[in-house]
Amino acid sequence: NAGVTQTPKFQVLKTGQSMTLQCAQDMNHEYMSWYRQDPGMGLRLIHYSVGAGITDQGEVPNGYNVSRSTTEDFPLRLLSAAPSQTSVYFCASSRLRGGETQYFGPGTRLLVL
Amino acid sequence: SQQGEEDPQALSIQEGENATMNCSYKTSINNLQWYRQNSGRGLVHLILIRSNEREKHSGRLRVTLDTSKKSSSLLITASRAADTASYFCATDRFGGTSYGKLTFGQGTILTVHP
Repeated sequence: NAGVTQTPKFQVLKTGQSMTLQCAQDMNHEYMSWYRQDPGMGLRLIHYSVGAGITDQGEVPNGYNVSRSTTEDFPLRLLSAAPSQTSVYFCASSRLRGGETQYFGPGTRLLVL
Repeated sequence: SQQGEEDPQALSIQEGENATMNCSYKTSINNLQWYRQNSGRGLVHLILIRSNEREKHSGRLRVTLDTSKKSSSLLITASRAADTASYFCATDRFGGTSYGKLTFGQGTILTVHP
């Protein structure tokens, strides 16, 4: 199994551009989520999904959209990139039960100029 | 605000020494997890302790949980240079709709010198 994969690994955007960060998992996990990690901080939840067709907001959702059309994929869209969105983005997945281990992707490093 | 707060923010020790990291949280939880992050990589799950457990071991790792004080500690015994990483606690808040939504602390940066 590949686990959780993310593409691209690194991206540079100009302010106002849009892009989609891809996330896929092959473990048939119901739960998927997106976090951002800023220097010296922990991870903050952006959006999450408990299954195909079901998404909800996390702690810092503004400026991001998500959709979940399949169990495997959970893309994160930046609608109009801003310098404040410069960060490292991690996708994670787990089974949908309390206390489940979350499996993280390797991250996408995003720089917005 | 962050649910979990780690202490210390940074810890520097010699190989063979023990490393202790602490985590405090604010609300009732279902469980608490510890993750490790090597520089530039994703997070890797280390250990999970449930709210009705007080201590758990996994290899050189020992985790304690004190729900009355809303705190947890991670002890790494006989540390190795390869243990150098950032360590995060994450809480799964009590409540049905929050299952799976982990809240992370800011992390402890551990450096183990050979």
